[in-house]
This record gives sequence, C-alpha cells and structure tokens, in this order.
Amino acid sequence: EAGVVQSPRYKIIEKKQPVAFWCNPISGHNTLYWYLQNLGQGPELLIRYENEEAVDDSQLPKDRFSAERLKGVDSTLKIQPAELGDSAVYLCASSLSPLPDNEQFFGPGTRLTVL
Amino acid sequence: KQEVTQIPAALSVPEGENLVLNCSFTDSAIYNLQWFRQDPGKGLTSLLLIQSSQREQTSGRLNASLDKSSGRSTLYIAASQPGDSATYLCAVVGQGAQKLVFGQGTRLTINP
Repeated sequence: EAGVVQSPRYKIIEKKQPVAFWCNPISGHNTLYWYLQNLGQGPELLIRYENEEAVDDSQLPKDRFSAERLKGVDSTLKIQPAELGDSAVYLCASSLSPLPDNEQFFGPGTRLTVL
Repeated sequence: KQEVTQIPAALSVPEGENLVLNCSFTDSAIYNLQWFRQDPGKGLTSLLLIQSSQREQTSGRLNASLDKSSGRSTLYIAASQPGDSATYLCAVVGQGAQKLVFGQGTRLTINP
C-alpha cells in the first residue's frame, strides 16, 4: 500500500515569491492534516480536513497561507507571499477518520527554504 | 492549553546501552499518548501508542510507560543499536480533542 505522497521534497525560493505544496493521502483516508515543523521542534497542526471541509484551521495564518482539498482527495497548501520565517518542513498526514481512534500516517514532508 | 516537553533535547550513548527518553505534559486529561520516530528527511513513524487507561506498551526492544496523574511518559530502549539513531517525538491527544500535540523531540545518537 502506498503511503502519503508529498511533492516537491525540497523547495528554495526568494522571499515574497509564492510557493505551493501538494499532498496525496493514503487511498480511502478521509481525514487530511497539514503540519508545520520548525527546526528542532515538533510538528504543529496548521489545518485539518474531513473530506473536502476544513474543520480546524485555527492555526493557519490566513493572511498569507491558504489550502484546498478538492474532491476530498489531494490537497494543496499555498503561501503567498513567502517570508524568511516560513522556512521549515511542511508535513502532510492522513487517517481513515478523525483522531483519537484512528492512526495518522505521515508523508516525508517538503523542506522549504526562503532566501 | 496542553504543552508537551521532552528532555533531553539531545542524547548520545555508546552502542549496547539501555536508555530512557522522557516526556511530560501539562494537562493530564489525555485520551492517548504516542511515541514517534523521525529519521532525517523522512516523515514520522509511529512506534507505540498508549491509551489513557493503560500503564505501558511494549514492542520489541521498546517499552513506553504512562503515568497520567503526574503527566509523564518514558520511552525505554534496550540494548541500543546504531540504527536507533533518530529523533524521537512524543505526542498526546487530549480528551475531546482531535489533534496531536507534540513535544520538541529528543535527538538520539548511538555510537558504534
């Protein structure tokens, strides 16, 4: 069974440029999560989707970040414009249904460097 | 607000030693606690999950304990091997919550 797929794996951009990350969850998983992981820190939840609906986006900086999950499968996380402080790893995870009764599976992440 | 702390931030030990990683959390009203492993450039892999009603879980050379009343968990690794080198993260799900709250991780290095 294929795991959570993320692309690109690495991205280097200059500040003020836009950037987008893509995630393909495990087939059949209705719940999708985007996390931000700063260097030396644990992941922090940015947004959680149940099918197409964003049910928890309280930690998403909405002035520059946006996300979508069309058709309840793949998801895209966008930053526009990127700032130096956005340099981090962006992780995507999925689960059959919401926590706490279902295990989350994590993708390898996208490492973003903003110059 | 739940906060999770892991001590130490980094640990280096010679191969073959037994070791303990620590995790503490501020709100004891948790649903479960989970230990993850993260290798450089890779995602998180779940190692052990302890439900709030349980005291410990074991998988191979790993044993995780949970003391909910004191807000503490430990991950015990027996007979460490160089392949155990990674960052270990603990995370909790609070009662009524649907998200993981992570600690900052312990970066473990096992020296041959």
